[in-house]
Amino acid sequence: DGGITQSPKYLFRKEGQNVTLSCEQNLNHDAMYWYRQDPGQGLRLIYYSQIVNDFQKGDIAEGYSVSREKKESFPLTVTSAQKNPTAFYLCASSIDIRPGGDNQPQHFGDGTRLSIL
Amino acid sequence: AQSVAQPEDQVNVAEGNPLTVKCTYSVSGNPYLFWYVQYPNRGLQFLLKYITGDNLVKGSYGFEAEFNKSQTSFHLKKPSALVSDSALYFCAVSRHGSGNTGKLIFGQGTTLQVKP
Repeated sequence: DGGITQSPKYLFRKEGQNVTLSCEQNLNHDAMYWYRQDPGQGLRLIYYSQIVNDFQKGDIAEGYSVSREKKESFPLTVTSAQKNPTAFYLCASSIDIRPGGDNQPQHFGDGTRLSIL
Repeated sequence: AQSVAQPEDQVNVAEGNPLTVKCTYSVSGNPYLFWYVQYPNRGLQFLLKYITGDNLVKGSYGFEAEFNKSQTSFHLKKPSALVSDSALYFCAVSRHGSGNTGKLIFGQGTTLQVKP
């Protein structure tokens, strides 16, 4: 079955440590996204990528970095510069992002819950 | 700037009764509107969307939503609630036409509690 796989499901970060969250999709989607979810705040966009080797900052990119070397993969690194990393992180994908085109519903993985040790 | 408001943190309804989860939006130009559902420790699942056309949109699991342009609302409804509908519901909006970046803006979510 096609879908989005996020790993690990739970992750713990020590102070000063960078950690990387994995996101893989086999939907052949061009666009991929990372969101952060905090209780009572909905989802906030961290980074998104419309195509391989290209990505854009979202609304809360500070303290995070991404890469998009393959169409299927969009890993997120939470750096030590992110002072409040405890949250539920969701990866999503959509067929494409075309200016003037019909938005496609975004498909979501089951998330990674990150906590500080 | 685009924004979405879900005015109720929680909605409680008895099983078998109709349910409504409210959503209002603000966007320049014409909106794309979406509803998603999230079960505990899971990702979001797409329920339905409004792009253009009929103001009443039917989606998954018996849910529907009505687009009201004059009130800038897109309320989620179901004629008869099930206990299994209990979950967190998100409304989202983006702008279509020129300048569409595909980015969704989400509301803060509404917890639906259906009691037997």
